Amino acid sequence: GDSVTQMEGPVTLSEEAFLTINCTYTATGYPSLFWYVQYPGEGLQLLLKATKADDKGSNKGFEATYRKETTSFHLEKGSVQVSDSAVYFCALTAGGSYIPTFGRGTSLIVHP
Amino acid sequence: DAGITQSPRYKITETGRQVTLMCHQTWSHSYMFWYRQDLGHGLRLIYYSAAADITDKGEVSDGYVVSRSKTENFPLTLESATRSQTSVYFCATTLTTGNNQPQHFGDGTRLSIL
Repeated sequence: GDSVTQMEGPVTLSEEAFLTINCTYTATGYPSLFWYVQYPGEGLQLLLKATKADDKGSNKGFEATYRKETTSFHLEKGSVQVSDSAVYFCALTAGGSYIPTFGRGTSLIVHP
Repeated sequence: DAGITQSPRYKITETGRQVTLMCHQTWSHSYMFWYRQDLGHGLRLIYYSAAADITDKGEVSDGYVVSRSKTENFPLTLESATRSQTSVYFCATTLTTGNNQPQHFGDGTRLSIL
């Protein structure tokens, strides 16, 4: 079946540091890939997505590129802020299904 | 633009009680989902629905019941609550089928069963 693997957290960074959160996947066909963010006490919200190989999704300074050859969709941000502290989920939908497969989530803690 | 409203936001109840968690959406999205979120388990799908009167079990459906008589409402009922059902419950929607559609989530219900 489909699966998503994310790096385990927590990831702890100082403000203005560079962020990478790794995400790799296995899926049938050509999946669509998503990153969601969950702030404390809230539900998940879409951060960015990419629907075909080599697409780059971007939002709020975050970027991720759909790499079919390495089956990866790593999340990056050049300079994190304290307000980016949250849990980040990588997810995919594939094979015409509307039911996503989520990774376990990666907690990010940014210190001033 | 209310989006998805979950109620209550917090609930404390006792084992053996029946409890219903409500989910209401204002978008008329076809697909609705219930998840539970627990430390160490991530998000787990409980039930989902493709349309009114069409529901299907997810990976952790035992002990839960859903209904969807109207497109906009998707209540989740714990028929006889157990301590293992203490969790944060999220309702989500998707506009249409096709694998490029994101999910939209409510803010969750934090349920404690004593």
